[in-house]
Amino acid sequence: AQRVTQPEKLLSVFKGAPVELKCNYSYSGSPELFWYVQYSRQRLQLLLRHISRESIKGFTADLNKGETSFHLKKPFAQEEDSAMYYCALSPTSGSRLTFGEGTQLTVNP
Amino acid sequence: DGGITQSPKYLFRKEGQNVTLSCEQNLNHDAMYWYRQDPGQGLRLIYYSQIVNDFQKGDIAEGYSVSREKKESFPLTVTSAQKNPTAFYLCASSIGAGPGDTQYFGPGTRLTVL
Repeated sequence: AQRVTQPEKLLSVFKGAPVELKCNYSYSGSPELFWYVQYSRQRLQLLLRHISRESIKGFTADLNKGETSFHLKKPFAQEEDSAMYYCALSPTSGSRLTFGEGTQLTVNP
Repeated sequence: DGGITQSPKYLFRKEGQNVTLSCEQNLNHDAMYWYRQDPGQGLRLIYYSQIVNDFQKGDIAEGYSVSREKKESFPLTVTSAQKNPTAFYLCASSIGAGPGDTQYFGPGTRLTVL
């Protein structure tokens, strides 16, 4: 069975500080991994996914198969980054997603 | 954002009653999904449909039912058999059912059982 774990429910940093949101997964095959974000009063939306290897809003995430992790990083946090972040996994075949519990990020001025 | 809509935004139900949540999309997506969002538990998949007239149970299907008679519509019925139905329900759709297909989410329906 696949599982996604986000060990931090709450994360608070100051503006301009680096931020890392942790995500660990368990899956026997080669999964697709995603980060979704939900800003206050907005819909849940895709932030980035590992297959595209892109940087969105300054965020990057590297898939580490050895550690089964997909941590989300940003070198300089901004106040507008405050949101709920979800890590999600999709199996090798099919599109159903398994989500982690979510991390509420707060960036203080 | 208008591509996938959910109604109503808030819904109140008495214990023992069934209630149906609406989800409509005009994105011409083949696949649609229902998730339940609870604080501290993330999103959990209730049901999903990869194509019209076909659907599969997700991780927490007990007490729920769905239908997919039209491509653009995927209503969710919360039955009286669902033991803890008070939650935030999210509908999503994707162009296909492949692992790389991005899911697009609706605004959600908050269901409260009185």
